[in-house]
Amino acid sequence: EVQLVESGGSLVQPGGSLRLSCAASGFTFSSYWMHWVRQAPGKGLVWVSRIDSDGSSTKYADSVKGRFTMSRDNAKNTLYLQMNSLRAEDTAVYYCVRESTHDRDAFDIWGQGTMVTVSS
Amino acid sequence: SSELTQDPAVSVALGQTVRITCQGDSLRTYYASWYQQKPGQAPVLVIHGKNDRPSGIPDRFSGSSSGNTASLTITGAQAEDEADFYCSSRDSSGDHYVFATGTKVTVL
Repeated sequence: EVQLVESGGSLVQPGGSLRLSCAASGFTFSSYWMHWVRQAPGKGLVWVSRIDSDGSSTKYADSVKGRFTMSRDNAKNTLYLQMNSLRAEDTAVYYCVRESTHDRDAFDIWGQGTMVTVSS
Repeated sequence: SSELTQDPAVSVALGQTVRITCQGDSLRTYYASWYQQKPGQAPVLVIHGKNDRPSGIPDRFSGSSSGNTASLTITGAQAEDEADFYCSSRDSSGDHYVFATGTKVTVL
């Protein structure tokens, strides 16, 4: 079964750091570009970042650029999101998402999400 | 502009047809993808590309596009189709992605 399982979400103080992980299984992880998408409570989906299949290229939304770093370990089938200088507005469910190889503009597999709460 | 806009809410009678639209300048260049999200669940891809449905998505879901507008049509809406629907696309740079604010579909 194709699966993405996020972990690492928790309550963190403003200005703090957190690292999210996403374990992939059921597919050849190293062949896929991956993304993080977040959703604040009661709000819509917001694209956060993207990494190419070998980890050599990343892109970030302006709202997180310079604070968040996306990486991957293809040997461990794991995706990461290092979040620094966290702000209240970063509070959201963070989804690990697979980009389709058939349509590079589509996200075909989503994890169940992990909740990040930034509050004092 | 790299924004995508959707109507906030729409309702449809059981068994009838509903169309959800998504507008944005980037849709003149890139196809939209459509995602269904039910309460407490992760989004699910329902339509992408010109009008492609992933395996397992009912054929009552279809997509189309014209100019700066993409549309998702549910033909013969079922109670289980009640959900939030989001369109997404690349932005005008092609390097980033954007989601619209979503449309809540209520099946009466």
